[in-house]
Amino acid sequence: QVQLQESGPGLVKPSQTLSLTCTVSGGSISSGGHYWSWIRQYPGKGLEWIGYIYYSGSTYYTPSLKSRVTISVDTSKNQFSLKLSSVTAADTAVYYCARDKTVTRGRTYAFDIWGQGTTVTVSS
Amino acid sequence: DIQMTQSPSSLSASVGDRVTITCQASQDISNYLHWYQQKPGKAPKLLIYDASNLETGVPSRFSGSGSGTDFTFTISSLQPEDIATYYCQQYDNLMYTFGQGTKLEIK
Repeated sequence: QVQLQESGPGLVKPSQTLSLTCTVSGGSISSGGHYWSWIRQYPGKGLEWIGYIYYSGSTYYTPSLKSRVTISVDTSKNQFSLKLSSVTAADTAVYYCARDKTVTRGRTYAFDIWGQGTTVTVSS
Repeated sequence: DIQMTQSPSSLSASVGDRVTITCQASQDISNYLHWYQQKPGKAPKLLIYDASNLETGVPSRFSGSGSGTDFTFTISSLQPEDIATYYCQQYDNLMYTFGQGTKLEIK
């Protein structure tokens, strides 16, 4: 079955760029039909959707982060990535990658497969 | 932007009890409302999608209902392994938003 695994630095300095990668196994991003998202969870437990990408490279970002976020896809490696620039302590969170569930009629806009999450701390 | 109001924020119940959590949207979201269970140190797990559809492999004691702005999540008979935090999540106009969460504890 499809599995997701996040990777990247656990510590980022303020004003630098956070970079994470999600590796997809057990299925191909380029087969289409699914959107691939990044979601973060703050220490206080609130969840925030960051943005998604389709295998074609089409993206959409939450407006509050749009100026700092870039999500890209590498179908040859079956990976998609997140870059968040100019980070501050407020960006400290657990970052998850997740897959948008689809059924016969199409997208459900629910997340049916999640990575285990990776903790990113922004600190000097 | 659509606001989601999930209640209660915490809940204490006994094994075997019926447990209900509600989620209210600030405007009509049709049935684009989903429910997740999250245990400590784990990623959220999808339980219910499209307001009332049980995800494959999820026990039938979990159920969901509602449409439009008002939604309900129910555990028909609480089990010890159901101790977790539960979140609703909506989709509207290209945006995904999560509720604040309900922490469920055993009495």
